[in-house]
Amino acid sequence: GENVEQHPSTLSVQEGDSAVIKCTYSDSASNYFPWYKQELGKRPQLIIDIRSNVGEKKDQRIAVTLNKTAKHFSLHITETQPEDSAVYFCAAIEAGRRALTFGSGTRLQVQP
Amino acid sequence: DAGVIQSPRHEVTEMGQEVTLRCKPISGHDYLFWYRQTMMRGLELLIYFNNNVPIDDSGMPEDRFSAKMPNASFSTLKIQPSEPRDSAVYFCASRQTGVNQPQHFGDGTRLSIL
Repeated sequence: GENVEQHPSTLSVQEGDSAVIKCTYSDSASNYFPWYKQELGKRPQLIIDIRSNVGEKKDQRIAVTLNKTAKHFSLHITETQPEDSAVYFCAAIEAGRRALTFGSGTRLQVQP
Repeated sequence: DAGVIQSPRHEVTEMGQEVTLRCKPISGHDYLFWYRQTMMRGLELLIYFNNNVPIDDSGMPEDRFSAKMPNASFSTLKIQPSEPRDSAVYFCASRQTGVNQPQHFGDGTRLSIL
């Protein structure tokens, strides 16, 4: 089955700086990679996703890149703001399966 | 759209009691997932359904846990008897059929077993 590893587990940045979170996956058949943001006491919310036929996707201050050869994908947040502080989860889904495998999460703290 | 609706939001009960968590998926979504979240183990998939049929229950921790989906708009996760180590946040999520459709979570049930 799929195994997703996520780094770092915690990340602290100054407001306005960029933040990068990285994930690797094990199953080369995986073809969908969403990212979720979870604020304290709330549900995980989908913030961006990428499919295996695309190398990069952007949505305002967030972007995701995918390297299928190396089996890793990354979340990039530019011009970070205090409201970006949360736990971020990456995930992957195998082509033949219908359930996501989640990474262990990254706690991002944006210092004002 | 009201999103995935879970009830109750919080549940506190004593060890040995039966606990029932409820979930209403987004209308038109035919996949439903139950997750458990703890600090130690992160987000764990317990079981998921497709068109009301359980597809993979390999994440259900033991026989004390059971899940049902009697119709397309309702699912339950039951723990009987409950134990303190079952304390966690339980999330329900749903998505549509189709290649790589996004998955949406409910607000969760925070369960505390005393």
